[in-house]
Amino acid sequence: AQSVTQLGSHVSVSEGALVLLRCNYSSSVPPYLFWYVQYPNQGLQLLLKYTSAATLVKGINGFEAEFKKSETSFHLTKPSAHMSDAAEYFCAVRAYNTDKLIFGTGTRLQVFP
Amino acid sequence: GAVVSQHPSRVICKSGTSVKIECRSLDFQATTMFWYRQFPKKSLMLMATSNEGSKATYEQGVEKDKFLINHASLTLSTLTVTSAHPEDSSFYICSARDLGPGQGNEQYFGPGTRLTVT
Repeated sequence: AQSVTQLGSHVSVSEGALVLLRCNYSSSVPPYLFWYVQYPNQGLQLLLKYTSAATLVKGINGFEAEFKKSETSFHLTKPSAHMSDAAEYFCAVRAYNTDKLIFGTGTRLQVFP
Repeated sequence: GAVVSQHPSRVICKSGTSVKIECRSLDFQATTMFWYRQFPKKSLMLMATSNEGSKATYEQGVEKDKFLINHASLTLSTLTVTSAHPEDSSFYICSARDLGPGQGNEQYFGPGTRLTVT
C-alpha cells in the first residue's frame, strides 16, 4: 500500500525567500512520486515527477524536488518565491504497477510581499 | 500539452435531481479516466476509475448506483450524480491518462466542477 504525508498544512514565506514543502511517502514497491499545484477553483497542474530516473527532479516554474530513499522523502523546493506561487500544493504517490494516485492532504503556500 | 476539459464548471441543483458532469480529453485518446472528489480544504479522493467500453471500478465506500459513470468513447467520460443531496455538494475533478508514445502514462487533470445541491 502507498501513502503520503505532507507536513504543514500552511506555509508562509516572503517574496524572494526559499520555499520548502515537505512530503514523506510510504510504499511497499518502488514508487512514482508527483507534485501538483492547484489554484483556487481550478484543477491540478503537474509541477514535476519522479519515475526512478534522476533523484533530483526539475519541474516547471523553477521548482525542483529530490527523491531520498533513505529518508522516504520527496520535498519540493524553490530558491526564490514569487507572489504567483501562492496556491495549494499536493504531493502524490503511485506504485509503478498501478494507475491510482494517492494524494497527500495538501499544503497551502502563502507568499507575502 | 494534453488538455482535459470538464463541463459544466459550476452547477447548482435542487435536492433530489440528477446532475451530469462531462470530462473530455481534447487532444488525446484516453482509455482510462479517473473521477476524484475534493472536499473544502481537503485532498482529492479517488472515487472511481472509468474504462472505455467497460464498467467503472469504484473505490470502497463509493456508491456506484449514486455516482453513475459512463465512458462511451475514448475522449469522453461522464459522471452522473443521481438524486443529489446537499452532502453531495463538492468539487469534482476528472483526470485522463495519456497512453500515447512518450507520455509516460501521465494523468492530466480537468479544471473541476463545483456542484452545489440546495
